[in-house]
Amino acid sequence: EAGVTQFPSHSVIEKGQTVTLRCDPISGHDNLYWYRRVMGKEIKFLLHFVKESKQDESGMPNNRFLAERTGGTYSTLKVQPAELEDSGVYFCASSPRDRGHQTQYFGPGTRLLVL
Amino acid sequence: AQSVTQLGSHVSVSEGALVLLRCNYSSSVPPYLFWYVQYPNQGLQLLLKYTSAATLVKGINGFEAEFKKSETSFHLTKPSAHMSDAAEYFCAVSLMFSGGYNKLIFGAGTRLAVHP
Repeated sequence: EAGVTQFPSHSVIEKGQTVTLRCDPISGHDNLYWYRRVMGKEIKFLLHFVKESKQDESGMPNNRFLAERTGGTYSTLKVQPAELEDSGVYFCASSPRDRGHQTQYFGPGTRLLVL
Repeated sequence: AQSVTQLGSHVSVSEGALVLLRCNYSSSVPPYLFWYVQYPNQGLQLLLKYTSAATLVKGINGFEAEFKKSETSFHLTKPSAHMSDAAEYFCAVSLMFSGGYNKLIFGAGTRLAVHP
């Protein structure tokens, strides 16, 4: 079974540019999460999808961030325009939709550097 | 509100020595607790989890953690460190919501160095 995949693995862009990160969850997982780790800080929750619906986007930092999950499969996270403070590692995770199943399976992350 | 504190951002041990990584949590309900590991240039991998069954939880690669409610702790241990254990370790508590999803609240991470 394939794990969570993320693309690209690294991205270096200039301030003001747009970047789109992609996440493919484990097949059959209805829950999809985005987290972010800014340099030296904790990994923090950004948002959660159940299938194609945003369930909780309380962690999104501002309206420069837009997440979508087309058809309940893969998800994209777009940052437009990017700012210096957006640099960090963006993790995607997925899990089955089961009240007892709290383990989240993480992808390798996308390392974003905004110059 | 749930929170996690990992004591020591960097821990260094000799190969063959005991590994002890500390994690204290705050939770208003019985917690689900996790340890994840991130090896260099890789993603987060689940090491082990506590789900209110046995208080001593065994994970992969010889790691284990003990849930102590009285101390609100979930420290990670390994009897004998190996060079390949060098990585960053994250403790997390799960915040459950109705609808079958949860959020993970992470500690700041502890970077483990193993020297010969």
